[in-house]
Amino acid sequence: EVQLLESGGGLVQPGGSLRLSCAASGFTFSSYAMSWVRQAPGKGLEWVSSISGLDGTTYYADSVKGRFTLSRDNSKNTLYLQMNSLRAEDTAVYFCAKGLLITPRGYFDYWGQGTRVTVSS
Amino acid sequence: DIQMTQSPSSLSASVGDRVTFTCRASQGIRNDLGWYQQKPGKAPKRLIYAASSLQSGVPSRFSGSGSGTEFTLTISSLQPEDFATYYCLQHNTYPWTFGQGTKVEIK
Repeated sequence: EVQLLESGGGLVQPGGSLRLSCAASGFTFSSYAMSWVRQAPGKGLEWVSSISGLDGTTYYADSVKGRFTLSRDNSKNTLYLQMNSLRAEDTAVYFCAKGLLITPRGYFDYWGQGTRVTVSS
Repeated sequence: DIQMTQSPSSLSASVGDRVTFTCRASQGIRNDLGWYQQKPGKAPKRLIYAASSLQSGVPSRFSGSGSGTEFTLTISSLQPEDFATYYCLQHNTYPWTFGQGTKVEIK
C-alpha cells in the first residue's frame, strides 16, 4: 500500500525557516517524480515544486523560487522541502504527491494527508 | 504563466444527474492536463490524466475530454460521494497551474 506521510509543519515567524518531510512507502521511491502542492486557508490548490526521479532536477513556482529548496533522499525514501524566508502568504496546508512517471508531470496518483504551515508573528 | 479558468465556479445537482464542467487554458497545452477531486479537509484524489485517461481505480462514470485550450470533465450519473470540488491542472509549461475549482453541491 502506497503511503505518504508529511511532517515538519508548524507555526513560524515571518522570515523564519521550516523543513517539511514526506516519508514514502509501498513503492520504489527512486522511480517516481515527487511534488509538493499547497492550499491556503479557504483557497484552491497551488503547485509549489517538483523533483525528477531520473536526475533530481527540480522545478519551482515563481512564488517560492529562491526561498524553497526541494530535495530527495532515495536511500531514506524521503522527500524534503526546505522553506526559508517564510512569508504570511506561505501559510497553507502542504501536500506531498507522488507522480505517475519518473519525470515530472502534473499527474499525481497518491497524496499525503498534508501538513499545516502557519507563518505569523 | 498559463491561466486555467474553470466554469462554473459552482453548481447544484441531484444524484443521478449528468454534470459537465469546463477548464479553459489561456494558451494551448496539447493534452497536458489532469483532473482532481477534493473533499473538505481532505487531500485531493486522482481522476484523469492526459486530459481523457482514467486513473487507476476511478469509477467509469468519470470521463474527460479536450485538447488545446478547452477541456471538460463529465460525471455521467452523479453519486452522493461525488459532491466535492474539482480542479484541473496543466503541466504543459512551468509553472504548473491549477484552475480555481468547480464546487459540486447537492440540489
